[in-house]
Amino acid sequence: GQQVMQIPQYQHVQEGEDFTTYCNSSTTLSNIQWYKQRPGGHPVFLIQLVKSGEVKKQKRLTFQFGEAKKNSSLHITATQTTDVGTYFCAGPCWSARQLTFGSGTQLTVLP
Amino acid sequence: ETGVTQTPRHLVMGMTNKKSLKCEQHLGHNAMYWYKQSAKKPLELMFVYSLEERVENNSVPSRFSPECPNSSHLFLHLHTLQPEDSALYLCASSQVTVSGANVLTFGAGSRLTVL
Repeated sequence: GQQVMQIPQYQHVQEGEDFTTYCNSSTTLSNIQWYKQRPGGHPVFLIQLVKSGEVKKQKRLTFQFGEAKKNSSLHITATQTTDVGTYFCAGPCWSARQLTFGSGTQLTVLP
Repeated sequence: ETGVTQTPRHLVMGMTNKKSLKCEQHLGHNAMYWYKQSAKKPLELMFVYSLEERVENNSVPSRFSPECPNSSHLFLHLHTLQPEDSALYLCASSQVTVSGANVLTFGAGSRLTVL
């Protein structure tokens, strides 16, 4: 079945440093979504990418969808303590009604 | 009430108990989901109710039983659970479209502990 792999599993950065998490799918995706889960919270939708090579920005966050639509990345510039949490990518599996989530990257920002 | 509401937020039960988790969505969505989130594991899809169709993950034990009486309410009935079933159970809803765009809105989750 479809697998969505995410690396790294954990990342500790000093406040102000950049952070990147990578997502790879075993199959081509029609779209990819990113979610953020704060400690003790629930996943919250951040963004969806649909087009090959698409790049979207949300303030300090930059999201990319690979040309082959099998990989994606999330880059945070100049991290802040509010960026702490686990970032998940997710892609539709055989049915658009189901999403397969990556294992997540847990980000810790040291003040 | 807005969004997706889950009750109870915390539940402790013995292995012989029967309990239910409840989820209600106020977004007018046409699909609802149960996910299981264990420590250090990916989010695991358990059940989907979409357009009056139910889809289930075949690896989910029969001690978990979903019920979806209408498009706004979803239950997860629990009986004779095991300690390894302790986890955060997340309900989500979405508006499934022909284009396939399917963004999930999650509830706050029900933290289950099985003794």
